[in-house]
Amino acid sequence: EAGVAQSPRYKIIEKRQSVAFWCNPISGHATLYWYQQILGQGPKLLIQFQNNGVVDDSQLPKDRFSAERLKGVDSTLKIQPAKLEDSAVYLCASSFTGNSYEQYFGPGTRLTVT
Amino acid sequence: ILNVEQSPQSLHVQEGDSTNFTCSFPSSNFYALHWYRWETAKSPEALFVMTLNGDEKKKGRISATLNTKEGYSYLYIKGSQPEDSATYLCAFFRGTGNQFYFGTGTSLTVIP
Repeated sequence: EAGVAQSPRYKIIEKRQSVAFWCNPISGHATLYWYQQILGQGPKLLIQFQNNGVVDDSQLPKDRFSAERLKGVDSTLKIQPAKLEDSAVYLCASSFTGNSYEQYFGPGTRLTVT
Repeated sequence: ILNVEQSPQSLHVQEGDSTNFTCSFPSSNFYALHWYRWETAKSPEALFVMTLNGDEKKKGRISATLNTKEGYSYLYIKGSQPEDSATYLCAFFRGTGNQFYFGTGTSLTVIP
C-alpha cells in the first residue's frame, strides 16, 4: 500500500512570497488533514477535509492560508504572502474515515521563510 | 485551546533500560487517544489508538495504558534499543468538535 505523498520536502522562500504544498493521501481515505508543526510545539490542525468538504478550518489563518481538495483526492495548501512565523513543518495525514481511526502521515514539507 | 501535556520533554536512556512517558489530557468529553512515533526525517507512525478506559495495548516491546477518568495515558518501552530513538507524540480527540489536539512530544534518545 502506497503511503501519503507530499511535495516538496523542503522549501526556502523570502517573506511576502507565495508557496504551495501538495498532498496525495492513501487511496480510499476519505479524511485528509493538514497540520502545522512549529519547532518545539506539537502539530496543530490547520484544516480537515471529509471527501472534498471542509470539516474544520477554525485554526487556519484565512487571510493568508488557503486549502482545497478538488475531487476529494489530492489536496493543496497555499500560503500567500508568507511571514517569518510560518516557518514550520507542514504535515499532511489521511485516515479511512472518522476520528477514532489512526492517521497516516506523509513525510512533511519543511518550510523556511527568510 | 485545549491542553495536552507530555512529560518528560526529553529523555536519554542507556540501551536495555526500560522507560515510560506520560500524556495528560482533559478528562471530560473523551473520545480517543492516539500515540505516534516520529523518527527524524521520517513520517509520524501510529502506534496505538485507544478508546476505552482501562485499555492496555501492546506492540512488541512497547505498551500503553489509558485512564480516561483521571485524564492520562502512559507509554512504556521495555529494554530500549537505539532504534527506539524518536519523538513520541500523543493526540487527544474529544467527543465534541472534530479536532485532534497533539502534545508537544517526548524526545527519546537511546544511547548504545
